[in-house]
Amino acid sequence: ETGVTQSPTHLIKTRGQQVTLRCSSQSGHNTVSWYQQALGQGPQFIFQYYREEENGRGNFPPRFSGLQFPNYSSELNVNALELDDSALYLCASSGGGRYGYTFGSGTRLTVV
Amino acid sequence: KNEVEQSPQNLTAQEGEFITINCSYSVGISALHWLQQHPGGGIVSLFMLSSGKKKHGRLIATINIQEKHSSLHITASHPRDSAVYICAVIGSGGSNYKLTFGKGTLLTVNP
Repeated sequence: ETGVTQSPTHLIKTRGQQVTLRCSSQSGHNTVSWYQQALGQGPQFIFQYYREEENGRGNFPPRFSGLQFPNYSSELNVNALELDDSALYLCASSGGGRYGYTFGSGTRLTVV
Repeated sequence: KNEVEQSPQNLTAQEGEFITINCSYSVGISALHWLQQHPGGGIVSLFMLSSGKKKHGRLIATINIQEKHSSLHITASHPRDSAVYICAVIGSGGSNYKLTFGKGTLLTVNP
């Protein structure tokens, strides 16, 4: 079985720009969730998608948006980037949250 | 107060020592993950457990649902165990199947 793959691994963007991060879920998993991890902190929940619908959202502004595709891969879009958006963005997939999660290696976003 | 609290925040040990990292949570959960993260790296799930105890090699994880507490133990620690260990709980239903993370415990094992 394939794991969770995130792309790109590293990214540098300028304040005000927009960015799209991608995540391919593990085979057989229909749930994808996204997390932001600032340096030295634990990951914070951004949102979760189940069968192409958002079914949970953390305390992040609307400029953080997402999509899940019919193959259950997912995108995280961030508009109007701010310096504080610099972080490691993690994606995790699940076949149903109670069955546990598989994590990607993350995308390191730097906003300058 | 965070929903998931870990202790200690930082831990330094000598190779061969027995290590314990603790996690307490204040919400209802369906399960709990212990995760490992190397500096700058992604996250690997070490265990997912909802009751009792699990063992994998030198790692042991226990959970007490009534007390809302879990522990991760590392026996015969080794420098390659140096990493951040994170406790994450899975909510107990509906849209609450999201993960809530502790802030992590930075473990350094010296040779």
